[in-house]
Amino acid sequence: QVTLRESGPALVKPTQTLTLTCTFSGFSLNTRGLCVSWIRQPPGKALEWLALIDWDDEQYYTTSLKTRLTISKDTSKNQVVLTMTNMDPVDTGTYFCARMNFHSENDEGYLDYWGQGALVTVSS
Amino acid sequence: SYELTQSPSVSVSPGQTASITCSGYKLGEKYVCWYQQKPGQSPMMIIYQDNKRPSGIPERFSGSNSGNTATLTISGTQAVDEAEYYCQAWDSSTDVVFGGGTRLTVL
Repeated sequence: QVTLRESGPALVKPTQTLTLTCTFSGFSLNTRGLCVSWIRQPPGKALEWLALIDWDDEQYYTTSLKTRLTISKDTSKNQVVLTMTNMDPVDTGTYFCARMNFHSENDEGYLDYWGQGALVTVSS
Repeated sequence: SYELTQSPSVSVSPGQTASITCSGYKLGEKYVCWYQQKPGQSPMMIIYQDNKRPSGIPERFSGSNSGNTATLTISGTQAVDEAEYYCQAWDSSTDVVFGGGTRLTVL
């Protein structure tokens, strides 16, 4: 049974750094083709992909936020950590982690399991 | 960067067929998946590899992808299908890309 759970602060102040942890079970991030991704959703708005880390420790970031994001993994703990620097009120939203099945031979990746999401509010 | 475009909203009567489209340049050359998100819930994958359904997803959900457009079709739409639907693809320059979402209303 695959599960993912996000954890982190519910409230951060502008300019602070956000650190979110995704703790997962039911799969290994050492398995070829499996990745963990972070996606966010501002209130009432669409999903926005943020970052991805794969089985080989390759990291991928959305271009618009690349300078602010860092994704890392601790395979022994089954955790993936996302940090986002210089938080702003526009970064308020629900942050999801999800497992991605990636098939490089098809240039294909889909998010087959999602966490429940963590609401992060940026306010002074 | 690669973009996917969805109509903001679609309305359908119960029992009728709903079609939700997702467009992008040469989208037919990529694999598309679809997610359903109900209010207050996480997204759930309902279609992957253009037209495959994960275990547990009702047969009334189907997908197709050709040219510049991918389509999610819901046959015999039910009230429980009322939700936001997102398409997603992988692009070599943009990596993961989502469409803007379509709100399906079952009237």
